[in-house]
Amino acid sequence: QQPVQSPQAVILREGEDAVINCSSSKALYSVHWYRQKHGEAPVFLMILLKGGEQKGHEKISASFNEKKQQSSLYLTASQLSYSGTYFCVPAETSYDKVIFGPGTSLSVIP
Amino acid sequence: NAGVTQTPKFQVLKTGQSMTLQCAQDMNHEYMSWYRQDPGMGLRLIHYSVGAGITDQGEVPNGYNVSRSTTEDFPLRLLSAAPSQTSVYFCASSLMTGMEEKLFFGSGTQLSVL
Repeated sequence: QQPVQSPQAVILREGEDAVINCSSSKALYSVHWYRQKHGEAPVFLMILLKGGEQKGHEKISASFNEKKQQSSLYLTASQLSYSGTYFCVPAETSYDKVIFGPGTSLSVIP
Repeated sequence: NAGVTQTPKFQVLKTGQSMTLQCAQDMNHEYMSWYRQDPGMGLRLIHYSVGAGITDQGEVPNGYNVSRSTTEDFPLRLLSAAPSQTSVYFCASSLMTGMEEKLFFGSGTQLSVL
């Protein structure tokens, strides 16, 4: 079952902040976040594991509330390069299928 | 280090034709998977594999076959192409289990079925 992402789309001006939310109906083991630019393959942003471990390499932060089965991606001081579609990928177990959420389209304008 | 290599990049088929999309990775990844992405839509999982000799169905497996005879290769077969299979196909792999390590994606195959 796919997760629910909100908002579906957002437009920001450079320097503004945004939050993208992801929720699942089932207890989660971990959450991945990916970004896809138009015409390209998705690129990894962040993994949040049960227990609080995070793995990421960009200036983008995220949270993972295991009890609420929710994750949020925080984009601060947005740049033009942040434009793209952001996908949440939650999993119930470590051996779970990697199912992508519907995506949130984010556009950053000058 | 080439990463995940998909071939071909573009392909046009006629309805009923068969073909194989190739995917190879040189990172010794155990987990490999195939996705399709229709215009303006998200990625949908077709099939995945957690190791050589092991495959399983994803969200939209009908019309596609896979096999995993080696760790490196995970080909996707369309036995009888249909216009509904027109899409962009991505292959992805990760080091260990699907949800503990990040996915590396190939550059995609644009498939059109006429």
